[in-house]
Amino acid sequence: EAGVTQFPSHSVIEKGQTVTLRCDPISGHDNLYWYRRVMGKEIKFLLHFVKESKQDESGMPNNRFLAERTGGTYSTLKVQPAELEDSGVYFCASSRTGSSPAFFGQGTRLTVV
Amino acid sequence: AQSVAQPEDQVNVAEGNPLTVKCTYSVSGNPYLFWYVQYPNRGLQFLLKYITGDNLVKGSYGFEAEFNKSQTSFHLKKPSALVSDSALYFCAVRDGGNTPLVFGKGTRLSVIA
Repeated sequence: EAGVTQFPSHSVIEKGQTVTLRCDPISGHDNLYWYRRVMGKEIKFLLHFVKESKQDESGMPNNRFLAERTGGTYSTLKVQPAELEDSGVYFCASSRTGSSPAFFGQGTRLTVV
Repeated sequence: AQSVAQPEDQVNVAEGNPLTVKCTYSVSGNPYLFWYVQYPNRGLQFLLKYITGDNLVKGSYGFEAEFNKSQTSFHLKKPSALVSDSALYFCAVRDGGNTPLVFGKGTRLSVIA
């Protein structure tokens, strides 16, 4: 069974540019989560999809962040325009049910310069 | 709101010695507790969970954790550390099912040969 995959693994962009991160969850996992870890700090929740619906987006920092999960399969997280403080590692995770363990991808390291 | 504390940024232990990585939590309802490990350049990897049942749970790679409700703790343990256990360990809690995971800041474990 393939794990959660994220693309790209690294991205370096200039302030003001747009970046789109992609996450492919484990097949059959309805729940998909995005998290972010800023250097040396906690891993912070961003949002939670159940299939294609946003279950909880309380962790999204501001309206420069847009997440989609069309068709309930893969998800994208777009940052537009990127700011310096958006730098960090963005993790995606998926789980079969809301209470089962979440399995994480390897993360996308975003650097905004 | 739920929270997790990992009081140690770094834990050093000699190979073959027992190891403990500490975690305390705060939730309003029933805690769902998890440990994840992150090896260099890898994503978060699920180690073990406590939902209900026996307070001592066993997980991957010989790790175990003990749920202590009165002390609101969920410390990670291993009887005999290996150099390959060196990694970053995260404790996480969910307040019941279908709520986002809340992570601690992580504890870096170094096992010295």
